[in-house]
Amino acid sequence: GAVVSQHPSWVICKSGTSVKIECRSLDFQATTMFWYRQFPKQSLMLMATSNEGSKATYEQGVEKDKFLINHASLTLSTLTVTSAHPEDSSFYICSANRPGGGEAFFGQGTRLTVV
Amino acid sequence: DAKTTQPTSMDCAEGRAANLPCNHSTISGNEYVYWYRQIHSQGPQYIIHGLKNNETNEMASLIITEDRKSSTLILPHATLRDTAVYYCIVRVASSNDYKLSFGAGTTVTVRA
Repeated sequence: GAVVSQHPSWVICKSGTSVKIECRSLDFQATTMFWYRQFPKQSLMLMATSNEGSKATYEQGVEKDKFLINHASLTLSTLTVTSAHPEDSSFYICSANRPGGGEAFFGQGTRLTVV
Repeated sequence: DAKTTQPTSMDCAEGRAANLPCNHSTISGNEYVYWYRQIHSQGPQYIIHGLKNNETNEMASLIITEDRKSSTLILPHATLRDTAVYYCIVRVASSNDYKLSFGAGTTVTVRA
């Protein structure tokens, strides 16, 4: 069964609106989660590291005010795409590492389409 | 992080073994080799990882050369459902907050 779960699997929204994506760690507590973005025919690009109880760490070039990350509990991180534009349409994926330095588990991804 | 190099694409026949190479010539002594795959429109799936010994699980085998500068992922009996992009990544496994950097990977197409 899934170890990391994302919701929703897909969403269509209008330009200018905000969309929230949830990432839940089902089998273990995750003090750190990661958010990736993937455009068609490209690899995954890390956007930010979500830290439970503190501010997220964003990769260079990722706007923190546009991609709001909240990691309020050890099993839930949320990514909110604010004032979405068509160029934000992408596949968003989260992950969490198994405690003890083991493998990373990924959510099933969220397909965002901004119209 | 050590950089990895993989072939862009690979075809293999259904039922045959698929051997996926990966070069990681700058790998450090404390870095593990991880393999993930991504089936179209899904999140990546963990396959296997190793440090220096060969590893095998229900999905695949991982062969790491003695100098650790390269490795091969082996899918023993490829099926159509193994068609995916396969990523070879090296990382230190000691930290829960270690982030993964994905390269372009190898697009594997299994043909009937």
